[in-house]
Amino acid sequence: AAGVIQSPRHLIKEKRETATLKCYPIPRHDTVYWYQQGPGQDPQFLISFYEKMQSDKGSIPDRFSAQQFSDYHSELNMSSLELGDSALYFCASSRTYNEQFFGPGTRLTVL
Amino acid sequence: ELKVEQNPLFLSMQEGKNYTIYCNYSTTSDRLYWYRQDPGKSLESLFVLLSNGAVKQEGRLMASLDTKARLSTLHITAAVHDLSATYFCAGLYNTDKLIFGTGTRLQVFP
Repeated sequence: AAGVIQSPRHLIKEKRETATLKCYPIPRHDTVYWYQQGPGQDPQFLISFYEKMQSDKGSIPDRFSAQQFSDYHSELNMSSLELGDSALYFCASSRTYNEQFFGPGTRLTVL
Repeated sequence: ELKVEQNPLFLSMQEGKNYTIYCNYSTTSDRLYWYRQDPGKSLESLFVLLSNGAVKQEGRLMASLDTKARLSTLHITAAVHDLSATYFCAGLYNTDKLIFGTGTRLQVFP
């Protein structure tokens, strides 16, 4: 069965650079969620979209923005990167707030 | 805001033994999930618990939910090395956001 696709899988950036993470949900899923997991920590909810509209927002820094496009894929844009942004970023998708299925994650390293 | 606490944080257990991981949550949650995560990997859904008294079993793992006590448990029966991983419980809050517990890092040794 098709799963959530995230790209890139690994990303290395310098401080103050920008990064864009992409998420392609499972076909027919209309809701996308972003989570950040720091080293040795639990995943933290960042933001979610339903039918291309932002539906909820968590502890997402102002330097980050995200959107969901007409084909339901989503992008997380991160600017002025800091060392503390180094983490695993997970995207999950669901069909209208049903069970969330997680992608493989993007490992971001900020040097 | 929903808060989820999990204990223990670390669990080292011998193969063949039984143990339970506890997950307490602070306020009403629509659903309670258990996930498994191997190092550097994604979150694998193990169980979804929807109602009071729900019990689900898969292999050596059994999860239960007591909504009155705001407690969920993950019971491991006759542990094997392949169960070594980090286990998270998570409550669904505000319909869409998952609030995770701190995780329990399980190591099973011979």
